[in-house]
Amino acid sequence: GIQVEQSPPDLILQEGANSTLRCNFSDSVNNLQWFHQNPWGQLINLFYIPSGTKQNGRLSATTVATERYSLLYISSSQTTDSGVYFCAVASNFGNEKLTFGTGTRLTIIP
Amino acid sequence: GAVVSQHPSRVICKSGTSVKIECRSLDFQATTMFWYRQFPKKSLMLMATSNEGSKATYEQGVEKDKFLINHASLTLSTLTVTSAHPEDSSFYICSAPLTSGWADTQYFGPGTRLTVL
Repeated sequence: GIQVEQSPPDLILQEGANSTLRCNFSDSVNNLQWFHQNPWGQLINLFYIPSGTKQNGRLSATTVATERYSLLYISSSQTTDSGVYFCAVASNFGNEKLTFGTGTRLTIIP
Repeated sequence: GAVVSQHPSRVICKSGTSVKIECRSLDFQATTMFWYRQFPKKSLMLMATSNEGSKATYEQGVEKDKFLINHASLTLSTLTVTSAHPEDSSFYICSAPLTSGWADTQYFGPGTRLTVL
């Protein structure tokens, strides 16, 4: 099956800093989503982005499908950004089964 | 955005008992729902696909007789952990896809934390 690797595994930043999280996948995808898992375990949808670039406030994401990677940018980090960020992909059109990446644990220090 | 609920949010039970977890899509219909399992500090692993009106399909290594899935309606799927044991303790999360145009977005429930004593 498709392999999804995220980097870095852990990231500790001062409040106000910017960060870039990376997601590499081993096969072509028709679905790619970024999630933020908060400390209570809830997965919050950030982006649906199988290709192209999207922005939502301080967050933006870019997926280069031909090179099999996606990037999540967080600018002006806040303590509420802390948590685990996952990318998840589905590799076949019409197959909604998501394979999750290994995750990046982000800690924002006041 | 679409809302998916789960109940209960937390359950503690004795070894040997069965536990039922409900997953509901609150404002949309879902012919398919998915059940995931997450161990502490690990990623989510897909357990099974719940299909409305037909049998669930299980991922390799997941015991279908241990984890019973019923998709009774277009808004409800249930996962029953039968004869639970301490190794079944985990965080169980369901999801449902919502298709809008060409976007096929998965929405996740808040999860159920199961502790088996």
